[in-house]
Amino acid sequence: DAKTTQPPSMDCAEGRAANLPCNHSTISGNEYVYWYRQIHSQGPQYIIHGLKNNETNEMASLIITEDRKSSTLILPHATLRDTAVYYCIGLYNFNKFYFGSGTKLNVKP
Amino acid sequence: KAGVTQTPRYLIKTRGQQVTLSCSPISGHRSVSWYQQTPGQGLQFLFEYFSETQRNKGNFPGRFSGRQFSNSRSEMNVSTLELGDSALYLCASSLQGAGAGELFFGEGSRLTVL
Repeated sequence: DAKTTQPPSMDCAEGRAANLPCNHSTISGNEYVYWYRQIHSQGPQYIIHGLKNNETNEMASLIITEDRKSSTLILPHATLRDTAVYYCIGLYNFNKFYFGSGTKLNVKP
Repeated sequence: KAGVTQTPRYLIKTRGQQVTLSCSPISGHRSVSWYQQTPGQGLQFLFEYFSETQRNKGNFPGRFSGRQFSNSRSEMNVSTLELGDSALYLCASSLQGAGAGELFFGEGSRLTVL
């Protein structure tokens, strides 16, 4: 199974960069890494995804190691509204999502 | 455009009963996937439907089933409810499939089994 491992929680000061790590050591070569976040038990919200290269969009940046065994989601300037549970998702059997336990990010003023 | 709509939002059932949950995807999306979220197990994949066909299935017992209609709306059914089935059930829609792009989630249906 391509499973992901994330720290259960992290703190970040408002305005600073939040760096959320994820290990996905069993991911295979053609499987993407996706990041989602969930606020207050609402439906998860898509953030970003990548395969091999680093990716950036208006919400975040995704850094994937060369061996693809781990990745880091970067929120460049965290705000209080970024407080949420962040899920790093690997695919096992293409088209199946496996959600790990996620990281609870606490952004503090 | 309208997002993913799930009904009902909240429901209470007793052990042994069955329940049907509904999910209306974003217009034009042909893939609907279902997830169970509990405090102990987190978010778990149930199954995915694409163009009325079940394409993938997670590790859940046969009491959990689903279907998709020609208009892409999907239902999931849980029979012979157990206390452990109490959870937030989320559905997500996408254009190409659960593994090929961005998933758009609904707000969920919160099921309590007494």
